[in-house]
Amino acid sequence: DAGITQSPRHKVTETGTPVTLRCHQTENHRYMYWYRQDPGHGLRLIHYSYGVKDTDKGEVSDGYSVSRSKTEDFLLTLESATSSQTSVYFCAISRGGQSTDTQYFGPGTRLTVL
Amino acid sequence: ILNVEQSPQSLHVQEGDSTNFTCSFPSSNFYALHWYRWETAKSPEALFVMTLNGDEKKKGRISATLNTKEGYSYLYIKGSQPEDSATYLCAFKGGGTSYDKVIFGPGTSLSVIP
Repeated sequence: DAGITQSPRHKVTETGTPVTLRCHQTENHRYMYWYRQDPGHGLRLIHYSYGVKDTDKGEVSDGYSVSRSKTEDFLLTLESATSSQTSVYFCAISRGGQSTDTQYFGPGTRLTVL
Repeated sequence: ILNVEQSPQSLHVQEGDSTNFTCSFPSSNFYALHWYRWETAKSPEALFVMTLNGDEKKKGRISATLNTKEGYSYLYIKGSQPEDSATYLCAFKGGGTSYDKVIFGPGTSLSVIP
């Protein structure tokens, strides 16, 4: 199994509070991704990183920010959580940006915003 | 906005039945098509990656075909077993300004009844 961990695995928070999710990898892969999974939508890309301090937006980036100060860590921050951000969040990594590069997924974080 | 569709949304088959489902994607600027298998309470895992029109891949009882000209891929499962129960995701990787991004379909949920 690819060495990807996510923390926390479960979190319940209240509307308006800041939340940070962490993804940690031990594979030294260049690319890291944050997805959210919602019924009927599959996986939707929030943000991704193609190197330290290099990030870009995905299709559902509003309300989220990311940071990558080290190769192994990719943080997702909800500055002011809303109920619409209740979801399961998956981190993924890939070796590079080649079209054939497989993504390897972390175990997911279940976030509930009350 | 690129659209990747999968059909059917869900499928229930008897053990031993063969089944197939479809992934539809844009036929222009095609780079690669990935299939992932996602078991309940686990993370998505890669099955196949295909890049050339007419590609066929096989892994045990599961196989996939690719038609890039018309923008579809089929996934076949021969003699379904209960352990095949999972959601099957396809992911399209296309050219353009966002070379690094992958667009996931919503998935087909397969239940195999013993």
